Amino acid sequence: GENVEQHPSTLSVQEGDSAVIKCTYSDSASNYFPWYKQELGKRPQLIIDIRSNVGEKKDQRIAVTLNKTAKHFSLHITETQPEDSAVYFCAASMEETGANNLFFGTGTRLTVIP
Amino acid sequence: NAGVTQTPKFRVLKTGQSMTLLCAQDMNHEYMYWYRQDPGMGLRLIHYSVGEGTTAKGEVPDGYNVSRLKKQNFLLGLESAAPSQTSVYFCASSSQGPRGAGEQFFGPGTRLTVL
Repeated sequence: GENVEQHPSTLSVQEGDSAVIKCTYSDSASNYFPWYKQELGKRPQLIIDIRSNVGEKKDQRIAVTLNKTAKHFSLHITETQPEDSAVYFCAASMEETGANNLFFGTGTRLTVIP
Repeated sequence: NAGVTQTPKFRVLKTGQSMTLLCAQDMNHEYMYWYRQDPGMGLRLIHYSVGEGTTAKGEVPDGYNVSRLKKQNFLLGLESAAPSQTSVYFCASSSQGPRGAGEQFFGPGTRLTVL
């Protein structure tokens, strides 16, 4: 099955700086890559996703890049704010007909220091 | 719209006891999932369902059973709980998108402790 590795496990940045989280995947058939944010004690929530037919996607301060050849994808958060502090999970799946079984990375705890 | 709800929120079991976790969604989603979340291990898929009356195994199905008798409900059962099943359990649901299942919406989680 798919194996997703995520780095770093913890990340501290000063408010206003950028944060980058990186993930690699093993199955070249994977074609859907969502990122979830989980605040302490809360449920995971989708913040951005990318499909394998594009290399980059941006939504305000958040961007995701995908390198299919190298099988890695990254989350970029610019102008970080204290409310960005949370655990971020990357995931990968083969999005075809049927259920979208996600394989998650182990998470990155991001702390934004005011 | 309540979205995805889970009951109970917390539960403490003794080894060998059984229990059922209930997940309900009011978004008319076809697909439903059960995950467990353990420290340092992310979320792992236990079982999933592609529609009413269907279930399938995920990454870590051993020790769990599921049923989807109604489209809006997905039940996760532990027949004989073990300490290794101490975890936070999340249910999720998604609908059919243009390329397959779309965004997964998660419930608030159930924190289960097995003594």
